[in-house]
Amino acid sequence: DQQVKQNSPSLSVQEGRISILNCDYTNSMFDYFLWYKKYPAEGPTFLISISSIKDKNEDGRFTVFLNKSAKHLSLHIVPSQPGDSAVYFCAASSNSGYALNFGKGTSLLVTP
Amino acid sequence: EPEVTQTPSHQVTQMGQEVILRCVPISNHLYFYWYRQILGQKVEFLVSFYNNEISEKSEIFDDQFSVERPDGSNFTLKIRSTKLEDSAMYFCASSGLGRGGYNEQFFGPGTRLTVL
Repeated sequence: DQQVKQNSPSLSVQEGRISILNCDYTNSMFDYFLWYKKYPAEGPTFLISISSIKDKNEDGRFTVFLNKSAKHLSLHIVPSQPGDSAVYFCAASSNSGYALNFGKGTSLLVTP
Repeated sequence: EPEVTQTPSHQVTQMGQEVILRCVPISNHLYFYWYRQILGQKVEFLVSFYNNEISEKSEIFDDQFSVERPDGSNFTLKIRSTKLEDSAMYFCASSGLGRGGYNEQFFGPGTRLTVL
């Protein structure tokens, strides 16, 4: 069952422009959301998170937006850099457990 | 910066054999996890471990799997009798109380398990 969905398997963006990665979820019990970045042959690297009590969290070039009514979150990267090229995973958890539920990932390519 | 480490990076085994995957979580973390990613699929939760016992497990984590914290630093995943479908990348993760999030989990580089 796909409780966390990333419907775009890939995204290509020019260097310096904004990258927007989207994520939808179905479980209304999810209250914490995370974005991870993954390079080939490495483990997921934590990027940024947001609690359901907020609608925005910012950390440098990365901003996550949460729309609870739409069960949708997005990660904005501004400005995009070639080193941002990786697979980005959206993950969610609920306060009833510790498991992270991952989406399938979006492969971001930032071209010079 | 502290990180989660895993050994070995690649393990090849014959079907039916037992394997033990090892992890050293971040030293001041209290919660430990195992996930797996079958090639081409999403990362899937297997088990979480806190205070020397399993706190949560998924349907994947059946009787063939077990976890242990044999000493103050290592966290292991044992698969008793491996099957072909156990071939996957296995990730260990840990989390603590830092950075304001209660379960920001930090992942190791993974162990690629190949069952022949």
